[in-house]
Order: sequence, then C-alpha cells, then structure tokens
Amino acid sequence: ILNVEQSPQSLHVQEGDSTNFTCSFPSSNFYALHWYRWETAKSPEALFVMTLNGDEKKKGRISATLNTKEGYSYLYIKGSQPEDSATYLCAFPRAGSARQLTFGSGTQLTVLP
Amino acid sequence: GAGVSQSPSNKVTEKGKDVELRCDPISGHTALYWYRQSLGQGLEFLIYFQGNSAPDKSGLPSDRFSAERTGGSVSTLTIQRTQQEDSAVYLCASSYRRGESYEQYFGPGTRLTVT
Repeated sequence: ILNVEQSPQSLHVQEGDSTNFTCSFPSSNFYALHWYRWETAKSPEALFVMTLNGDEKKKGRISATLNTKEGYSYLYIKGSQPEDSATYLCAFPRAGSARQLTFGSGTQLTVLP
Repeated sequence: GAGVSQSPSNKVTEKGKDVELRCDPISGHTALYWYRQSLGQGLEFLIYFQGNSAPDKSGLPSDRFSAERTGGSVSTLTIQRTQQEDSAVYLCASSYRRGESYEQYFGPGTRLTVT
C-alpha cells in the first residue's frame, strides 16, 4: 500500500447499531495515524492520534485500534446515533515529515433514526 | 478559546480573476497548513508553514497558487487567473507540538466557485 485507503466508502446503519470501518496505510516508516470526523458544514475535528502498535483509544462511544506491523486501523462506533453521521477520515504523516498529512478519501457514515 | 478562522466562507469568481483566501490560526500554533477538497476527491495537501522556516510548497498544483504567512500568524492563499478546476473547499489548519503527535485544528473552510 502506497497511500491511505479507507473502506467502506459509505455506510448506512440504523440508530443503535454498532459499526466499524477500516483504514489501511503503509506499514514502513510509521510515525502516527490520525482519525478525523468531518460533519457537513463544519470543520474536520480530530478524534484520535495514535502512535504505538497495539494502541487502543476511546472517546465516548467511539474507539480505535492500531496495528502498525500490518498497516491498518479500525474505528468502532458503539450504539450509533444520528449525530454520528459524518465522514470519517484517517491520515498519516508523509515520509520525511511529521506534520503534512496524507488523507484517505473517508468513510461517509449515515445513521438512520 | 478561539479556533481557526477563515474568510470568506464562500467566494464566487469569474474565470481568470485572482482571489485571496485568508486564514487566522489558533494563537501560539507554529505550524499552518492549507488543504483543498475538490468535488469527489479527498483532502489534498497544498502548502505548510512552520515557524520562520521556508514553507513546504510541494503540494501546490501550479505556479498560479502562492501563499504567505505574515508575522508567523495570519496566512493568505492567492490563486491567480482562476480556472474552473480550482473550484473546491479550501481548508486551513494549525497545530503545535504535543509530544510526538501533531493534532491539526481545522478552520471552517472557504468554498470557492469559479464560473
């Protein structure tokens, strides 16, 4: 994998369902992996910045895991609510820099009431 | 505290005109980035400023694009002789060093439409 890939591209779930999506990234020269949430008409908001293999982070009903050796991260949402509807982006710093992020194309989540 | 602000929020311009987009980062943040999202595309890095160092311009799509950051704070992205393919949402973000991670704080964006 040369760039960041996210799947699925879009997802519709019912309120109360739990869901998860995947971010795949180059496993060599790993520095950090970022997750952002981008709601329509709002600014992208940082959810997690993960740096260690095996990291697991949690914020409310949202959690994320990281596997740097195989180059993937999962984002989980437990008991989805309509306000969770957003595009979820993952990103990793470009080689040679710790700041310029390469973003995936995102997973667009719609939670139906 | 105050977040990243951008102006204008929307800009409609005619093809061939120049436009200026402004970004006010969070006070104290030394790093500032510009990204854009074209229709159906992901976020694309454009340019990065860090303190007083020379900016990383490697993401600028053509020489019609330029940016400056005055006094280590406010930044202006200028697009000369706009083309329809320049239509996009232009996002600014800033960050400061936090351990080994660099969480970025984004502004609301400027939606540019070139007619």
